[in-house]
Amino acid sequence: DTGVSQNPRHKITKRGQNVTFRCDPISEHNRLYWYRQTLGQGPEFLTYFQNEAQLEKSRLLSDRFSAERPKGSFSTLEIQRTEQGDSAMYLCASSFLGTGELFFGEGSRLTVL
Amino acid sequence: TQLLEQSPQFLSIQEGENLTVYCNSSSVFSSLQWYRQEPGEGPVLLVTVVTGGEVKKLKRLTFQFGDARKDSSLHITAAQPGDTGLYLCAGLKTSYDKVIFGPGTSLSVIP
Repeated sequence: DTGVSQNPRHKITKRGQNVTFRCDPISEHNRLYWYRQTLGQGPEFLTYFQNEAQLEKSRLLSDRFSAERPKGSFSTLEIQRTEQGDSAMYLCASSFLGTGELFFGEGSRLTVL
Repeated sequence: TQLLEQSPQFLSIQEGENLTVYCNSSSVFSSLQWYRQEPGEGPVLLVTVVTGGEVKKLKRLTFQFGDARKDSSLHITAAQPGDTGLYLCAGLKTSYDKVIFGPGTSLSVIP
């Protein structure tokens, strides 16, 4: 296993378009997290899964954001009707249940024009 | 409301100096982690501390977990330019909870 994989690494889109990011976690890990990060700031929690179940979604997230983890393997994060304020790095991480030791992907950078 | 606070926010020092960065909370955590992140990459785990008062060393880095498990510190001895990066603390309140991050300390070590 080569670790957590995210794609695309970079996405430039126009305001109002939809975008989807994919995350392939480490295969043995049952927890999967999505975070958003802007320059020089810490990762902001978006949502997380235990296997295929979505356990929590940040109250700061609008209904334009949705995430899935079908079959408890890879996950997708979709942003509908993108806004310029959505421009950020979107990070995916995976872990075993009960540990705070996260393994991150390299992130997907979104630029909304 | 930020559950984890970090200080200082920015730190610029000369190569060879020592430094300490802090991670504080009003909440008790079952474990705290420290990560380092370089530009354009995801954070990389440095250490986990789980026992109040625990001290862990990783080469020139020393990590301490507070007795009450509400705070932690990271001390770097004889900083090197390769130590430059964003240092993040993160915590897990219970094993069933989510991992949350502090805002980070941006360290720059000048040769």
